[in-house]
Amino acid sequence: GENVEQHPSTLSVQEGDSAVIKCTYSDSASNYFPWYKQELGKGPQLIIDIRSNVGEKKDQRIAVTLNKTAKHFSLHITETQPEDSAVYFCAATAFWGGFKTIFGAGTRLFVKA
Amino acid sequence: DTEVTQTPKHLVMGMTNKKSLKCEQHMGHRAMYWYKQKAKKPPELMFVYSYEKLSINESVPSRFSPECPNSSLLNLHLHALQPEDSALYLCASSLPPDRGITYEQYFGPGTRLTVT
Repeated sequence: GENVEQHPSTLSVQEGDSAVIKCTYSDSASNYFPWYKQELGKGPQLIIDIRSNVGEKKDQRIAVTLNKTAKHFSLHITETQPEDSAVYFCAATAFWGGFKTIFGAGTRLFVKA
Repeated sequence: DTEVTQTPKHLVMGMTNKKSLKCEQHMGHRAMYWYKQKAKKPPELMFVYSYEKLSINESVPSRFSPECPNSSLLNLHLHALQPEDSALYLCASSLPPDRGITYEQYFGPGTRLTVT
C-alpha cells in the first residue's frame, strides 16, 4: 500500500542551529505535500506545504524542497528557537475519489536553549 | 474563522456504550475527514466525505459509523468499541476536490477517547 517514510524519528539541536527532516513517498499519484507541527494535547497544525509542480518553497525560517522524480521531500528550519520544539509530520496527499493523506511516522524535535 | 471544533474534548466509555463524536466547521469547506491517532503515532485516515457523501472508507470496522448531516457538521457514532480503540480522534476539513487542485486540511484539537 501507499507509504511515507520519515527520518529522523528524533532530532535534538542547539538554539540557532538548523534542523532538517526528510521524507520519501511511494504513491506516484501524490501531488500535495503538507508539513504539520503537533504540540502536546493539540491537533496537527499546517506549517508549510508544497505542490507537485513546485520544487522549493520558503516561508520565513521554514523551507520545503520536493524532488518528484526521486519521491523525496524535505523540511528545513533555520535559526531554531525553543518554541519550535514539537512533533513534525510530513504527509503526501493523492486524490482517490477524495483526498487521501498518508502521514510519515513523525520527528520529535528538541531545541535546546 | 479558520477553526474546526470538536466535542467532547474527552470521552470515557464502556464497551457496551453508544456514544457520538461531533465536529463542526464554518469555513465553507465541503470535504471533511476523520483520523485516528494512537499515542506517539501519526494520524491515520479513517473516512473522507466530499459534498456530504462518503468518498473514502479506509476499511474501518463497522463499530465506527460516520455521518455528515450537513456541510458544516461531521459525526462519528461509536458502538461496542474495544479497549484498543482508545485514541485521539481528529476531525479535519478542507475545500473539496476541484479540477485536480489539492487543498490544505485544517485539523480540530481532537477528542481523546478511552474505552474501558
